[in-house]
Amino acid sequence: AQSVTQLGSHVSVSEGALVLLRCNYSSSVPPYLFWYVQYPNQGLQLLLKYTTGATLVKGINGFEAEFKKSETSFHLTKPSAHMSDAAEYFCAVSDSFGFGNEKLTFGTGTRLTIIP
Amino acid sequence: NAGVTQTPKFQVLKTGQSMTLQCAQDMNHEYMSWYRQDPGMGLRLIHYSVGAGITDQGEVPNGYNVSRSTTEDFPLRLLSAAPSQTSVYFCASSYAGTGAGNTEAFFGQGTRLTVV
Repeated sequence: AQSVTQLGSHVSVSEGALVLLRCNYSSSVPPYLFWYVQYPNQGLQLLLKYTTGATLVKGINGFEAEFKKSETSFHLTKPSAHMSDAAEYFCAVSDSFGFGNEKLTFGTGTRLTIIP
Repeated sequence: NAGVTQTPKFQVLKTGQSMTLQCAQDMNHEYMSWYRQDPGMGLRLIHYSVGAGITDQGEVPNGYNVSRSTTEDFPLRLLSAAPSQTSVYFCASSYAGTGAGNTEAFFGQGTRLTVV
């Protein structure tokens, strides 16, 4: 089975500073990787995804992630943090081998706090 | 489109009671899933469906039943509630892409269940 590991359950950064959230994956096949964001008392929203092709993936709200096969990593970054980025972030890998996304394996999440 | 709608938003059950968490989507998605979210554990897959009449177990299926009689609805039944089932439950749906990487899961707002 595939898995993802998120390093750091809590990350705090100052407003305007670089955001770096770490995700490493384990997969025996080329993975489909996702980052989701969850705002308080909300469902999950897709930030970005990696399928094949370009290893640097751009998402919504200024976030991007780089797929590094040699490091089995898919870290999420944003150059300049904004107060509205405070949320919980989940890295996920698809366990679906068909045409849907019905089987996702999630990391344990990283709660991002922005310091004014 | 309302997207993925979950009802109720909050529920308190007594140990041993049964109930059904409702999930409906109006996007004509073939694939649907139920996850539970517990602190420090991320989201874990309970059951999933790849189409009407087809369901299968995920990582943590014990104590839960599902059925999928229509494309739109995917209810989750708790047979005899236990305190260990206290959690936040999320329903998700996805459309058929050209592969699992060319689609995305859309999540409902969640149902917060407390079993006392």
